[in-house]
Amino acid sequence: DAGVIQSPRHEVTEMGQEVTLRCKPISGHNSLFWYRQTMMRGLELLIYFNNNVPIDDSGMPEDRFSAKMPNASFSTLKIQPSEPRDSAVYFCASRSSDGSNQPQHFGDGTRLSIL
Amino acid sequence: AQSVAQPEDQVNVAEGNPLTVKCTYSVSGNPYLFWYVQYPNRGLQFLLKYITGDNLVKGSYGFEAEFNKSQTSFHLKKPSALVSDSALYFCAVLPSYNTDKLIFGTGTRLQVFP
Repeated sequence: DAGVIQSPRHEVTEMGQEVTLRCKPISGHNSLFWYRQTMMRGLELLIYFNNNVPIDDSGMPEDRFSAKMPNASFSTLKIQPSEPRDSAVYFCASRSSDGSNQPQHFGDGTRLSIL
Repeated sequence: AQSVAQPEDQVNVAEGNPLTVKCTYSVSGNPYLFWYVQYPNRGLQFLLKYITGDNLVKGSYGFEAEFNKSQTSFHLKKPSALVSDSALYFCAVLPSYNTDKLIFGTGTRLQVFP
């Protein structure tokens, strides 16, 4: 049973470059969440979708960040242009449509380093 | 403000001894409560949850948690720790007024020594 799949697992790029992170949620899950984890700020919710529709993007730090979910099996988080302070581990999580008390299932993250 | 507190940054315990990782919350209403574990270079993994009913919840890998409404606590416990339990543990709360956004604690690093 495949879990949440994120790609790439690691990304190293120079500041100013565009970065695209990808996520494939668990099949049948209708909620998708993007998080960022750093030592300084811990785990932060950036944006989440229900049924492919963005519900709350209040956690997106700046206009340089954007997220899309074109269909139920794919989402992207894009940073353009990237800055060194964007360096973090980015997680995607999905949740079943069986009820809000269902746990979120996390991917193994993308470790992003902006030089 | 709605919040979750994990008062200990790190908990050290000898293998075979019982362990407790503390969590308290400040959320209105009747929230749902969760524990997650994170191993190095991995995502968070669900351990257990409290929704309603029995205050003692059993989860994966022999972990359990006790919900205490009067103390607004949800401490994670295990009767006998294993070295392989060493990881980062997160408590999370789902407020009843917004059942989409989990509120996470800052995490507690558990170190189990042989």
